[in-house]
Amino acid sequence: IAGITQAPTSQILAAGRRMTLRCTQDMRHNAMYWYRQDLGLGLRLIHYSNTAGTTGKGEVPDGYSVSRANTDDFPLTLASAVPSQTSVYFCASSETETDTQYFGPGTRLTVL
Amino acid sequence: GQSLEQPSEVTAVEGAIVQINCTYQTSGFYGLSWYQQHDGGAPTFLSYNGLDGLEETGRFSSFLSRSDSYGYLLLQELQMKDSASYFCAVRSAGNNRKLIWGLGTSLAVNP
Repeated sequence: IAGITQAPTSQILAAGRRMTLRCTQDMRHNAMYWYRQDLGLGLRLIHYSNTAGTTGKGEVPDGYSVSRANTDDFPLTLASAVPSQTSVYFCASSETETDTQYFGPGTRLTVL
Repeated sequence: GQSLEQPSEVTAVEGAIVQINCTYQTSGFYGLSWYQQHDGGAPTFLSYNGLDGLEETGRFSSFLSRSDSYGYLLLQELQMKDSASYFCAVRSAGNNRKLIWGLGTSLAVNP
């Protein structure tokens, strides 16, 4: 692994289903982030974690949850997906909370 | 509120110079960053300005004026591969020091 990986690459999901997007980094960065990107709305922060064991809410946290059990992994869970959660999801990490952010390749999620 | 403004689209020709402006309104300020994103790809870091002035990295330069709450990204000797979206992002105290992102400028470089 080099950098940040995300899985799956894309997913079509029925509304009401539970879904976990995976994110793993091997750079030993302390801070990690989840963004969603929608046309015309840019990048919006969903949740973040400044260090393992801590998480915080971003701009659009409703309907999403995260956990940070260790430094490398930062999964994003949609407990009950809705069509408005159709988006491209990017995971990012940075050495500290104020450093340059490095992005994973993204997950394209469609909720029908 | 906190906001960033940048043009939605810019068009230029190969070999030209283009400037993408970004104005911001935030509570507290810790720096202006620029990211590039090609269609279907992930954002990648281009440059950072924490203090006033010009930062140069190859064909790309970025400028900041904190007194004017303004910055720009300058791309010189444009190449077709520079066609992408460019995002400015500001780190502010009012957002728990997390990045606030502009909506992006789509740059089209034509032959």
